[in-house]
Amino acid sequence: NAGVTQTPKFQVLKTGQSMTLQCAQDMNHNSMYWYRQDPGMGLRLIYYSASEGTTDKGEVPNGYNVSRLNKREFSLRLESAAPSQTSVYFCASSVQGSSYNSPLHFGNGTRLTVT
Amino acid sequence: AQSVTQLGSHVSVSEGALVLLRCNYSSSVPPYLFWYVQYPNQGLQLLLKYTTGATLVKGINGFEAEFKKSETSFHLTKPSAHMSDAAEYFCAVTGGTGRRALTFGSGTRLQVQP
Repeated sequence: NAGVTQTPKFQVLKTGQSMTLQCAQDMNHNSMYWYRQDPGMGLRLIYYSASEGTTDKGEVPNGYNVSRLNKREFSLRLESAAPSQTSVYFCASSVQGSSYNSPLHFGNGTRLTVT
Repeated sequence: AQSVTQLGSHVSVSEGALVLLRCNYSSSVPPYLFWYVQYPNQGLQLLLKYTTGATLVKGINGFEAEFKKSETSFHLTKPSAHMSDAAEYFCAVTGGTGRRALTFGSGTRLQVQP
């Protein structure tokens, strides 16, 4: 009963390096999300995918790209990492978009440090 | 547009005391409101949600929240704090068309003193 699985758990990058954060869910959910969590700022939405084949920008999309690979998987890519992207990244999924009141199920996060 | 304000980034209570975590929201349409809890090094878990109907909502671990439209509030309460309640709590809002993801507050860290 894995739920939402994120890899890796920790990552250290140098400025300018690229990487992809992976997320997979096994609950047959339609919608998936990427949030970043910074101290005192709560969670801010980076990108979301309301259904397979669609992606939309959230509040803070600059510097990121996403791919909804299939219904299960939603990856987040940093093309050229910057220190401002040091954060904890959470992937989440829901049966439908949360405006339809279905709650989010979260992974355990990826702690990313950019030096 | 929608937003959430959580008053108090840190709240400290004694074990057995009342827990009150405050949340005020702004939404141009009838909101759906949520409280999530985050334990250290974990993702967020749903505590409770309000969509429509009864304004007093009960959640897991003895928590409840009351939707007050006139005050645009959705405060979280628990009559008697337990040490295991120590965590960070997030209020979130969503609703309406064109905004299909939650907007979170900045969080309130709850400490429970023995």
